Amino acid sequence: NAGVTQTPKFQVLKTGQSMTLQCAQDMNHEYMSWYRQDPGMGLRLIHYSVGAGITDQGEVPNGYNVSRSTTEDFPLRLLSAAPSQTSVYFCASKAQGGGYTFGSGTRLTVV
Amino acid sequence: SQQGEEDPQALSIQEGENATMNCSYKTSINNLQWYRQNSGRGLVHLILIRSNEREKHSGRLRVTLDTSKKSSSLLITASRAADTASYFCATDAGTGRRALTFGSGTRLQVQP
Repeated sequence: NAGVTQTPKFQVLKTGQSMTLQCAQDMNHEYMSWYRQDPGMGLRLIHYSVGAGITDQGEVPNGYNVSRSTTEDFPLRLLSAAPSQTSVYFCASKAQGGGYTFGSGTRLTVV
Repeated sequence: SQQGEEDPQALSIQEGENATMNCSYKTSINNLQWYRQNSGRGLVHLILIRSNEREKHSGRLRVTLDTSKKSSSLLITASRAADTASYFCATDAGTGRRALTFGSGTRLQVQP
């Protein structure tokens, strides 16, 4: 039981490049979400999903896309990376009524 | 904007002392959760308290919830150096947006 797996752990992008942050969970959780964490701050919600085929925007969705074609996977796509997207990204999942399980994060730097 | 605001932002105590962190939030909630984050790591779920509960215990953790004041507190008793971390409260509204809204966190330093 691996929990929530995020890849890659570190990434450096040039401004304008695109990439996909991967997130997979093996707990059959319905709810999944993406957060970003900037230095000294809490987590801000980017996008979330309440089940396969259903996604919605969070607080800071601009510049990011998501899809949820399967229960297990919830990739986050950066369309055209900007320095303001330099952050640590966390994926999390939970079953109904429970607490969230977080991945170990992806540290992204956009230069 | 952040749903929860935590107080204090930073706390330094000696090993063996108790640590209390407070969280205030703005809107109605279904439950409130506390998470711990060690430096450079992901978040770990500590405890969940539902809106119809007033107090909950888990090991050395005690959480209270006052929905009339929209506030919660996390008490860590007999602290250890290993408790050094950032602690975040997060609220689950239960309807509408089905994801957590986090506070800005309390950085706890436990001196050995």
